[in-house]
Amino acid sequence: ETGVTQTPRHLVMGMTNKKSLKCEQHLGHNAMYWYKQSAKKPLELMFVYSLEERVENNSVPSRFSPECPNSSHLFLHLHTLQPEDSALYLCASSQDPLRGRDYEQYFGPGTRLTVT
Amino acid sequence: GDSVTQMEGPVTLSEEAFLTINCTYTATGYPSLFWYVQYPGEGLQLLLKATKADDKGSNKGFEATYRKETTSFHLEKGSVQVSDSAVYFCALGNTGGFKTIFGAGTRLFVKA
Repeated sequence: ETGVTQTPRHLVMGMTNKKSLKCEQHLGHNAMYWYKQSAKKPLELMFVYSLEERVENNSVPSRFSPECPNSSHLFLHLHTLQPEDSALYLCASSQDPLRGRDYEQYFGPGTRLTVT
Repeated sequence: GDSVTQMEGPVTLSEEAFLTINCTYTATGYPSLFWYVQYPGEGLQLLLKATKADDKGSNKGFEATYRKETTSFHLEKGSVQVSDSAVYFCALGNTGGFKTIFGAGTRLFVKA
């Protein structure tokens, strides 16, 4: 595997279910990101991890819970979601931008989530 | 705060037409600028970037020049192909921070 992979690619869940999204990067990066992409809305940054520590949490509801066990893996745990949470969830990784440069991000293909 | 504004789509062109997608930005400091492309069913991928004023980024026939005086980073291609149909995002790096600021995206349709 190369680049950034995400599983599953598609997920349908009821509002009372608990599920997890998985992201894995094979690029040797040390920062990882979760984004939400909804139709006709700008890309929303949800969470950022650098060296396995959460460094950004953009007022995301607690029904979304991230986990970063190591610098190659990132999870998004989902529980009691709402229909408006239906969207494409994108994972990305980059070199650590705190070194003073703007490193480009590498994105996975996303998980298409539908909440019924 | 920092922001990116890009032209609304969709943009519909015939094959071999000239493409311009406008992007302007507001930023403190000297950010890097990026264009990302998202093909149907895929995530975003970096198309090109420029890290300082007057730099020109180029890739796959696409070009964009970092214009500090007009705070712009317009994307151009001389002759588009059907395979260029995608959504294009202009983005601004937060100079050493984690938050890349993305524009709303411009959808391009290219007809054969």
